[in-house]
Amino acid sequence: QVQLVQSGAEVKKPGASVKVSCKASGYSFRNYGISWVRQAPGQGLEWMGWISAYNGNTNYAQKLQGRLTMTTDTSTSTAYMELRSLRSDDTAVYYCARVQQRRLDFWGQGTLVTVSS
Amino acid sequence: DIVMTQTPLSLSVTPGQPASISCKSSQSLLHSDGKTYLYWYLQKPGQPPQLLIYEVSNRFSGVPDRFSGSGSGTDFTLKISRVEAEDVGVYYCMQSIQLPTFGGGTKVEIK
Repeated sequence: QVQLVQSGAEVKKPGASVKVSCKASGYSFRNYGISWVRQAPGQGLEWMGWISAYNGNTNYAQKLQGRLTMTTDTSTSTAYMELRSLRSDDTAVYYCARVQQRRLDFWGQGTLVTVSS
Repeated sequence: DIVMTQTPLSLSVTPGQPASISCKSSQSLLHSDGKTYLYWYLQKPGQPPQLLIYEVSNRFSGVPDRFSGSGSGTDFTLKISRVEAEDVGVYYCMQSIQLPTFGGGTKVEIK
């Protein structure tokens, strides 16, 4: 069965960087993309970006460009999301999701990133 | 960006009764490939979102047939024919004809 398992919670200071991992299993990793979506406390869902596991092509939400990098490691079927210059409003649960034909069909369990001085 | 507007914000439903959620997009979600890129997700408390409906009206694997989606162009509806206790949570619509955006969510609770 398809599973996406994310790394554990992080606490970071403003200005720092965070890197969250998403390990995929149960499917051919290179044949799909991975999207990242975040959810601030008590708020709705915000799409952050997408990466092709086939060729590494990316597409990021405009508001995060310059601070966001998505990568994949096909040897371990793992996707990574790095966000730099963290601010308090980056505090959120970050989700990875598999992308199949534009739909986000399977989701990771989420990783809480807290930005606090 | 395409803006997705959901109504109502919240819904309180008696078990066994129907429920309906509306989602309107600021632009047509009909692609030149003939597909309409509109999806419905349910986020149960403390869980990640789960895909219910893809491309307007197709139920995802394992989704009960009491869930149905309809609509076209810019107006879409999710219907639950008979709400059960396990259906509580926040429902989101999402478009992906352009870079994905989500509706603000509709919270469904049981009376």
